[in-house]
Amino acid sequence: AQSVTQPDIHITVSEGASLELRCNYSYGATPYLFWYVQSPGQGLQLLLKYFSGDTLVQGIKGFEAEFKRSQSSFNLRKPSVHWSDAAEYFCAVGVLDTGKLIFGQGTTLQVKP
Amino acid sequence: DVKVTQSSRYLVKRTGEKVFLECVQDMDHENMFWYRQDPGLGLRLIYFSYDVKMKEKGDIPEGYSVSREKKERFSLILESASTNQTSMYLCASSPRSGGAQYFGPGTRLTVL
Repeated sequence: AQSVTQPDIHITVSEGASLELRCNYSYGATPYLFWYVQSPGQGLQLLLKYFSGDTLVQGIKGFEAEFKRSQSSFNLRKPSVHWSDAAEYFCAVGVLDTGKLIFGQGTTLQVKP
Repeated sequence: DVKVTQSSRYLVKRTGEKVFLECVQDMDHENMFWYRQDPGLGLRLIYFSYDVKMKEKGDIPEGYSVSREKKERFSLILESASTNQTSMYLCASSPRSGGAQYFGPGTRLTVL
């Protein structure tokens, strides 16, 4: 069955520290992969996407993600976190030929001053 | 930039009322989606549509219906609102199968 797992429900990092949010997926074919961010009370904003090609994907707001097929992972990284990055982050896999996305449960990021 | 708009940010309704949530996208996307989001339950797909007048049930369609009379507009209808439909409702659109979905700002619905 297709699924997305975000193992960390809640993460706290200090401002300026590096960040890695984990995402593991289960999907039979080559996946389309996405990371979204949601600020409180807002909709989801697309951070980055992977369809094919270079496995290191650059996104907005200084984020990047690396697709590792052997580990079925698509972890999100940022070298230096800003207080404004505090939000909920969702990883998703696209289901081919349906247009649907399967979302992970989300990781809440708290940033300490 | 893709723009998805939702008719209301906040809505308060009474039990038994008929509720319409409207979503409009301006990028000529074929696919549109309605989700609800609840703490601890993540995003759950209610209905989606591949084209005008087409609709498909998602994971939790009970108590909801949808309408897509024009390509840019996708409406979610609660025929008789109940308190367990109090939630955040998110609309999204995408250009093709498997592509990125673009979300609206959400409507927080409270049913009293």
